[in-house]
Amino acid sequence: DAGVTQSPTHLIKTRGQQVTLRCSPKSGHDTVSWYQQALGQGPQFIFQYYEEEERQRGNFPDRFSGHQFPNYSSELNVNALLLGDSALYLCASGRSSYEQYFGPGTRLTVT
Amino acid sequence: RKEVEQDPGPFNVPEGATVAFNCTYSNSASQSFFWYRQDCRKEPKLLMSVYSSGNEDGRFTAQLNRASQYISLLIRDSKLSDSATYLCVPNTGNQFYFGTGTSLTVIP
Repeated sequence: DAGVTQSPTHLIKTRGQQVTLRCSPKSGHDTVSWYQQALGQGPQFIFQYYEEEERQRGNFPDRFSGHQFPNYSSELNVNALLLGDSALYLCASGRSSYEQYFGPGTRLTVT
Repeated sequence: RKEVEQDPGPFNVPEGATVAFNCTYSNSASQSFFWYRQDCRKEPKLLMSVYSSGNEDGRFTAQLNRASQYISLLIRDSKLSDSATYLCVPNTGNQFYFGTGTSLTVIP
């Protein structure tokens, strides 16, 4: 049984560009949450998707948007990239809002 | 006030030692609680879910004090492989709040 998978593993973008990150949840999980983790910090909650709707959102600007597909997989889109968006982006899946299991993350570097 | 506060450490302990980490959370509406461990440049991995006033899993014991909004993690008989950052995570509604974590290094 595959765990949570994310793609790509690493990504380098230029300021002002747009990026799309992808996540496939663990089998049987229906919620997907996205987190941003800067170096030396804990993961910061971006938003959570359930039944293809954004259910909860953290303190992130509208440049961060997402989507959940009928098969529960999810995308995170970030527009107008800033240098400060450089971080590890983590996807976590779970059943409803109970335990969450993380994918390996996508390391985004903005130059 | 931060949602979650943890002593960042680092804690450097010898193999076989007992070490305890503390965590306070600010939102009294938090409903469930977790401890995750995170190795350098890896994703967080669920270590324990904290039920009721606490629970034990092998060498690990978690305690919860809702009145004081305080969670602790005790590790007995520390192993080299326990070296990691430990993250305290209260869950409020559908949002998980992560602290900055406590760094542990177990020394041979």
